[in-house]
Amino acid sequence: GAGVSQSPRYKVAKRGQDVALRCDPISGHVSLFWYQQALGQGPEFLTYFQNEAQLDKSGLPSDRFFAERPEGSVSTLKIQRTQQEDSAVYLCASSYGLAGGEDEQYFGPGTRLTVT
Amino acid sequence: AQSVTQLDSHVSVSEGTPVLLRCNYSSSYSPSLFWYVQHPNKGLQLLLKYTSAATLVKGINGFEAEFKKSETSFHLTKPSAHMSDAAEYFCVVSYLYNQGGKLIFGQGTELSVKP
Repeated sequence: GAGVSQSPRYKVAKRGQDVALRCDPISGHVSLFWYQQALGQGPEFLTYFQNEAQLDKSGLPSDRFFAERPEGSVSTLKIQRTQQEDSAVYLCASSYGLAGGEDEQYFGPGTRLTVT
Repeated sequence: AQSVTQLDSHVSVSEGTPVLLRCNYSSSYSPSLFWYVQHPNKGLQLLLKYTSAATLVKGINGFEAEFKKSETSFHLTKPSAHMSDAAEYFCVVSYLYNQGGKLIFGQGTELSVKP
């Protein structure tokens, strides 16, 4: 069956541009997570949705980062006025149940963002 | 803060020899623990997970890990390495009653397998 998909797979943006990254979770999955993985590092949590509700956005590094999941399915991570430090791979993950620490999170292939 | 520490950034083994990737976690709450593998240009894949059942957990591709509360460790092992095991491995912790179930990743251990 279809897994988590993300688009685009690669994005090059000039400093100051806005970007939008899309995540299509596995159908029926309630929970959706965004993570940021800098080069040579482990992924770091950005934000969490339960259906359409954004329950945790404690990991968003600045107010230039915004995420939404308006219908409880597809999610978009938007970065305004991109900076070089935003260059990273952005990973999306979904899980079937509520975020409780035990459900497996299924990861997409990621979007590699390069800010020049 | 809740955290997980992978003790080796890089491990190199010969094909057919045992693999040991070390991981320690902070112990404020009862954790769920995971090992994920990331092959180049591929997504993260779950190898195994511990969620307060048996302390010895068996995963895919012959990997297993043992939860040792007294040592706050969750080391990953495999009796015999295969060339296809070469990848980045992440030890991951999640706390049910704190942190909202989000995953907290270690820095990763790159496993190289020599022929």
